[in-house]
Amino acid sequence: QLQLQESGPGLVKPSETLSLTCTVSGGSISSSNHFWGWIRQSPGEGLEWIGTVHYSGSTNSGTNYYNPSLKSRVMISVDTSKNQFSLRLSSVTAADTAVYYCVRHPNYGYGYYYYYMDVWGRGTTVTVSS
Amino acid sequence: DILLTQSPGTLSLSPGERATLSCRANQSVASNYLAWYQQKPGQAPRLLIYGASSRATGIPDRFSGSGSETDFTLTISRLEPEDFAVYYCHQYASAPPTTFGQGTRLEIK
Repeated sequence: QLQLQESGPGLVKPSETLSLTCTVSGGSISSSNHFWGWIRQSPGEGLEWIGTVHYSGSTNSGTNYYNPSLKSRVMISVDTSKNQFSLRLSSVTAADTAVYYCVRHPNYGYGYYYYYMDVWGRGTTVTVSS
Repeated sequence: DILLTQSPGTLSLSPGERATLSCRANQSVASNYLAWYQQKPGQAPRLLIYGASSRATGIPDRFSGSGSETDFTLTISRLEPEDFAVYYCHQYASAPPTTFGQGTRLEIK
C-alpha cells in the first residue's frame, strides 16, 4: 500500500525559503499512472492546492503545474533515486503558516493534469515566525 | 477560479439518521469533475467520492455522491459514529487552480 511521508523544518523565518520533502513508499514515483503534488491547509484559508508535478520516465524530467497565486514563489522537484519529491516556497510570510500535505493524483492519460487526490501524507505543520 | 460554497456550515444529526451535504459552484463544473473528502481531527483528508458519484476504494456504500453542473450532494444514508467529521468538496475541472469548498462540519446531536 502506497504511503507518503512529509519531512522538513517546522519553523521558518519570514522572507526565507520553506523546504519540504515527501518520501514515497510502497510504490514508485516514476509511475506514469500518477502525478504528485502539495496541498496546504490553514485556519484562515482552508484547503489550498499548491502545485503538481508530472514525472516522465521517457524524458527523465518533470513538468510542473502551479497555483497562479503562488507560481512566482514555488518550485516542485522530483528525485527518482530517492523516490522523493520536494516543495520549495520562497519569501515566506506569516500567511504561509499551515499544515502542508503531499498527495498523489491519478493520471488518466487524457493530457489533463489536474485531478483529485487519492492518497495523502499525514501532513506537517510549518510555522513562519521570527 | 470556481468558487464552491458548502451548506450547511454545521449539521447536527444522530447516529442512524441520513445526512445530506450540499456543494454549490458559481459556474458549471465540467465533466462532473467534483470530489468529496472526509477529514477527522488531526488527520489528513480522505477521498470519498470522485467524478461526482464514484466511490473511492474501500469507501462504504452508505456514502453516495450525486449532482451535476453547479449543484452537488454528498449523502450518508445511515450515520455511523465514525462518520462525524468535516467534509470538503473539491472541483478539478477548471484549473489551474483546483479549488475547495470551505467545509461542512457533521456533529453528533
